[in-house]
Amino acid sequence: NAGVTQTPKFRILKIGQSMTLQCAQDMNHNYMYWYRQDPGMGLKLIYYSVGAGITDKGEVPNGYNVSRSTTEDFPLRLELAAPSQTSVYFCASSSGGGPTGELFFGEGSRLTVL
Amino acid sequence: QKEVEQNSGPLSVPEGAIASLNCTYSDRGSQSFFWYRQYSGKSPELIMFIYSNGDKEDGRFTAQLNKASQYVSLLIRDSQPSDSATYLCAAYILTGGGNKLTFGTGTQLKVEL
Repeated sequence: NAGVTQTPKFRILKIGQSMTLQCAQDMNHNYMYWYRQDPGMGLKLIYYSVGAGITDKGEVPNGYNVSRSTTEDFPLRLELAAPSQTSVYFCASSSGGGPTGELFFGEGSRLTVL
Repeated sequence: QKEVEQNSGPLSVPEGAIASLNCTYSDRGSQSFFWYRQYSGKSPELIMFIYSNGDKEDGRFTAQLNKASQYVSLLIRDSQPSDSATYLCAAYILTGGGNKLTFGTGTQLKVEL
């Protein structure tokens, strides 16, 4: 049971570089999310998607972009990396976006921008 | 004011004791509340959620909700060293701009032998 799979697990970027964090889920969930977690902080929502072709901004979308061409995949694109984007990124999915929906998280991608 | 507030801890309890983790929220429109456990270097995993006033029990865990006081708590009975982790409280809010799940910063729990 793969669940939510994120790649890469670790990455070091130089300032100004770009990269894509991959996220795939095999649970046929409609809802997918990208969060970032800074040390000692809670999870901040970057972008989310309620289905293929539909995405929307969360609390901290600046510097990021997403796409959702299939139900399974929800990649996060970082353009022009900055030190402020050093963080741990979690992709999550849920079967519904309602008030009782459990989030299933990937293992996280630790990104350092130098 | 933060939407979901938690004491960062660490909260230290002896093995076998009851650990009490607290969370307050500011938006009275919050519909439901989640407790996630996060081990160091790992991803969060759901322990339980609650949306009605009162208590909800699941094994050694009890979630308590008091909407009048805007207060949520998680009790862990017979605490074990394996319970040592950070516990994240999250509130689900229906807003005009869409649904939102807001996380607190988490409380670190240490269960000592």
